[in-house]
Amino acid sequence: QITLKESGPTLVKPTQTLTLSCTFSGFSLRNNGMGVGWIRQPPGKALEWLALIFWDDNKRYSPSLKSRLTITKDTSKNQVVLTMTNMDPVDTATYYCTHRPPDGSYLDYWGQGTLVTVSS
Amino acid sequence: DIQMTQSPSSLSASVGDRVTITCRASQGISNNLAWYQQRPGKAPNLLIYAASTLQSGVPSRFSGSGSGTDFTLTISSLQPEDVASYYCQNYNSAPYTFGQGTKLEIK
Repeated sequence: QITLKESGPTLVKPTQTLTLSCTFSGFSLRNNGMGVGWIRQPPGKALEWLALIFWDDNKRYSPSLKSRLTITKDTSKNQVVLTMTNMDPVDTATYYCTHRPPDGSYLDYWGQGTLVTVSS
Repeated sequence: DIQMTQSPSSLSASVGDRVTITCRASQGISNNLAWYQQRPGKAPNLLIYAASTLQSGVPSRFSGSGSGTDFTLTISSLQPEDVASYYCQNYNSAPYTFGQGTKLEIK
């Protein structure tokens, strides 16, 4: 049974750096083909793909946010961390952690999501 | 980046109706296309991957088709619990972009 759970601040100030953690169970990022990704969704808007880290430490980022994003993994802790610098009110969104299966970069398991509000 | 365009943006149909949502990619993505359902207030849920493969546990009234640039999601007989937003996703090449979504309501 694969589960993922996001954690981090619910409120950040403009210009601050957001750090979100994804703690997962039911799979290992040591296993060939596995990956963990981040998706966000502003209130009332569409899903936006952010970043993905693979079992071999390869990483993919949204080009429009690449300069602000960093994704890392701690395989021993079953954890993936996403940092986003220079937060702005437009970054207010629910952030989801997701599982990538070995056979493709679709997302077969999702965390419950965490709402991050950017406001002074 | 590959752009994914869904139509319609919103849709109202009656229980029992056949519903079709389309998704077009700005360039060919083979069959590397997934569909997700997002019920109000919930996380998205994978319905279909590889354009036409039904995810385990998803009702058989859902089906997908297409390859290359044009794809469809079909609900053969709409049920009240299908009220949701539906999103397609390109996973052929990064960035793995989503469509803008289709909001489905019951008449």
